[in-house]
Amino acid sequence: ETGVTQSPTHLIKTRGQQVTLRCSSQSGHNTVSWYQQALGQGPQFIFQYYREEENGRGNFPPRFSGLQFPNYSSELNVNALELDDSALYLCASSLGQSSLYEQYFGPGTRLTVT
Amino acid sequence: DAKTTQPPSMDCAEGRAANLPCNHSTISGNEYVYWYRQIHSQGPQYIIHGLKNNETNEMASLIITEDRKSSTLILPHATLRDTAVYYCIVRSYGSSNTGKLIFGQGTTLQVKP
Repeated sequence: ETGVTQSPTHLIKTRGQQVTLRCSSQSGHNTVSWYQQALGQGPQFIFQYYREEENGRGNFPPRFSGLQFPNYSSELNVNALELDDSALYLCASSLGQSSLYEQYFGPGTRLTVT
Repeated sequence: DAKTTQPPSMDCAEGRAANLPCNHSTISGNEYVYWYRQIHSQGPQYIIHGLKNNETNEMASLIITEDRKSSTLILPHATLRDTAVYYCIVRSYGSSNTGKLIFGQGTTLQVKP
């Protein structure tokens, strides 16, 4: 059984550009959540996808968007990158959308915006 | 979800018990206490959770006070690999609740030889 994987590991982008981050959920998990972790801070919830539909969103602007595919893998897209978007982006998968299910995190993608 | 308060940092000697406190004085009746940890450059890892009874698993023990306003995570024999940021999270538990986790600043535990 493979765990949650994310790609790429590191990424450098320029302000104003767009970026796509990818996440493969753990086998059998149908729910993916995305978090942003700024340096020295705890992770902040961006949104959750359950069976290809967005199911809950944190306090992030619409330029943060996502997708979930039929195989339950997911993408996080960020448009019009700003310097403050520099962070570790974490993906977590779970067996279901509710708090009954534990979340298993991937290693994250480190995004640097210059 | 209720807010939690944790000390920003703690030290522990290798082999000794690490006791990490968490205050959650505004916790409500249907909210559980969860603990996660994040080792440097890795994603957070679930440790344990509980409602009001003490809980133990292969990683740690969780002691919740009778009034549920505070709790302590205990790592019985800390090793250098337990050096990490530990997050205490209060979370509603149930099928109607979204699974999102609300992280605070956590406690940085440094285990020293």
